[in-house]
Amino acid sequence: NAGVTQTPKFQVLKTGQSMTLQCAQDMNHNSMYWYRQDPGMGLRLIYYSASEGTTDKGEVPNGYNVSRLNKREFSLRLESAAPSQTSVYFCASNNQPQHFGDGTRLSIL
Amino acid sequence: QKEVEQDPGPLSVPEGAIVSLNCTYSNSAFQYFMWYRQYSRKGPELLMYTYSSGNKEDGRFTAQVDKSSKYISLFIRDSQPSDSATYLCAMRSNYQLIWGAGTKLIIKP
Repeated sequence: NAGVTQTPKFQVLKTGQSMTLQCAQDMNHNSMYWYRQDPGMGLRLIYYSASEGTTDKGEVPNGYNVSRLNKREFSLRLESAAPSQTSVYFCASNNQPQHFGDGTRLSIL
Repeated sequence: QKEVEQDPGPLSVPEGAIVSLNCTYSNSAFQYFMWYRQYSRKGPELLMYTYSSGNKEDGRFTAQVDKSSKYISLFIRDSQPSDSATYLCAMRSNYQLIWGAGTKLIIKP
């Protein structure tokens, strides 16, 4: 009973490097989300996918791309990482309630 | 001004105390109100969900919504050390959730 699984749990990148964060859910949910969580800012929506084959921008999409690979998987890509993208990234599935993974802690040096 | 305001704390209370956590908001279109609990290094999990104004009780937890004042509260009775976590409020009018920054709660044994 895994729920929402995110990989990796931790990552350190240098400025300009690229990386893909992986997310998979086993609850057969249609919608999936990517958030970032920064101190004092709460959760901010980066991108979401209302159903397989669709993706839409959230509040802070700049510098990110997403792929809804199939119903289970939703990946987040940083093409050219910047220090401002240092954050904890959460993937979630379902609209109400949202089910979250345990996050990826990403540091950009 | 943020759409949802939440005092970040930390709020430290002795075991057994009644805890009151609050959020204010500016968008009168919000109709769905949620409280999530987030333990350290974990993703948020849904604690309480209410629609429109009124109270909802679940065990030691009571969620209260006052739409006229744009104010929501979460009360925890007989607080336990295991309640120590960050509590995030979230609300929405349509598809997207808007989150408070979270209040860190510490229950002292």
